[in-house]
Amino acid sequence: GDSVTQMEGPVTLSEEAFLTINCTYTATGYPSLFWYVQYPGEGLQLLLKATKADDKGSNKGFEATYRKETTSFHLEKGSVQVSDSAVYFCALASTQGGSEKLVFGKGTKLTVNP
Amino acid sequence: NAGVTQTPKFQVLKTGQSMTLQCAQDMNHNSMYWYRQDPGMGLRLIYYSASEGTTDKGEVPNGYNVSRLNKREFSLRLESAAPSQTSVYFCASRSQRGIGYEQYFGPGTRLTVT
Repeated sequence: GDSVTQMEGPVTLSEEAFLTINCTYTATGYPSLFWYVQYPGEGLQLLLKATKADDKGSNKGFEATYRKETTSFHLEKGSVQVSDSAVYFCALASTQGGSEKLVFGKGTKLTVNP
Repeated sequence: NAGVTQTPKFQVLKTGQSMTLQCAQDMNHNSMYWYRQDPGMGLRLIYYSASEGTTDKGEVPNGYNVSRLNKREFSLRLESAAPSQTSVYFCASRSQRGIGYEQYFGPGTRLTVT
């Protein structure tokens, strides 16, 4: 079945460091891909998405490019801030079984220190 | 516009007790979902409802039942709670039928079963 694998954390960085969180997927066809962010004590919020190959999603300085050749959707940010500390989830939209559902990776916890 | 709301925020149950988690959305969305979040497991789909009047099992449905009361509300019931159901539960909704539309999440219910 469809699945998402993302790098395990936790990841600890200093402020202004470069961030990469790797995400690869296995799916039939070309699913839409998402990054969600969960701040402490809150629900998930959509960070960015891409719906077709070579699309780049971007938001709040974060970027991810849909690479069908490598089945990847890595999250990057050039200069992280303390306020970026959160758990990040990669997800794909799966249509197995008829209705669209999200399949999530296990999440990567990011801590940014001042 | 409150988005997706969940009640209660916290709950402690004894083994064997029952309870219903409530979820409502005011975005006129067709599809609604229940997930559970456990450490190191990401989010796993319990049940979903693609439209009013329909419900389907997700990845981990055992021990749960759901009701799509109307277009706005989707409740999750634990008939006889077990310690393995200690988790954080999230409700989500999605707008269109079709591909690639993001899900909107509620703030979660933290459930402890002793």
